[in-house]
Amino acid sequence: TQLLEQSPQFLSIQEGENLTVYCNSSSVFSSLQWYRQEPGEGPVLLVTVVTGGEVKKLKRLTFQFGDARKDSSLHITAAQPGDTGLYLCAGERPGSGGYQKVTFGTGTKLQVIP
Amino acid sequence: DAGVTQSPTHLIKTRGQHVTLRCSPISGHKSVSWYQQVLGQGPQFIFQYYEKEERGRGNFPDRFSARQFPNYSSELNVNALLLGDSALYLCASSRDTRSYNEQFFGPGTRLTVL
Repeated sequence: TQLLEQSPQFLSIQEGENLTVYCNSSSVFSSLQWYRQEPGEGPVLLVTVVTGGEVKKLKRLTFQFGDARKDSSLHITAAQPGDTGLYLCAGERPGSGGYQKVTFGTGTKLQVIP
Repeated sequence: DAGVTQSPTHLIKTRGQHVTLRCSPISGHKSVSWYQQVLGQGPQFIFQYYEKEERGRGNFPDRFSARQFPNYSSELNVNALLLGDSALYLCASSRDTRSYNEQFFGPGTRLTVL
């Protein structure tokens, strides 16, 4: 079973449109990260959210962590072709052995058409 | 500063063979994690090493093993390769294993098993 479900799985929009990607779980996370991954490359960290209800903005990207720290959303305003990529959320929980267990979501593939 | 480096970039093997993948973390980072990313899915956690000790292990068979060297570089070994092992193998480094610890990913090694 996938611990972190992302929706939608695929999204194709026109340049200039707005969009929201959701990351949902039944588990509580100590922090949550959002990454963007382009073909043939590793994921690149966009943001880390830690506090329930926290909102962070990165230019046209707005990230929110749910009050209960079980879910998160990524909103992109006026999407541009450069936003095209695979968006991944990753939740962090304490694991045994003194490490933080990181679980990735299922991913949202975004295509922004010029 | 150089980012996380991985070698080789691409690899083709046949069923039953073994493979060794290598990772060099960012300078100053003592923790290395390995992930498997099957096409179209999010990365799945395999191992985390910190200060040459295994700190976490995901749900992977014993055919998968890893180690970390005194210079904090790491190797991932996979024995008795199966077709299903075909994937992008990602290495991520971080300063330590504490919470809210940002991971930085390498470009990955694309393994194809024929």
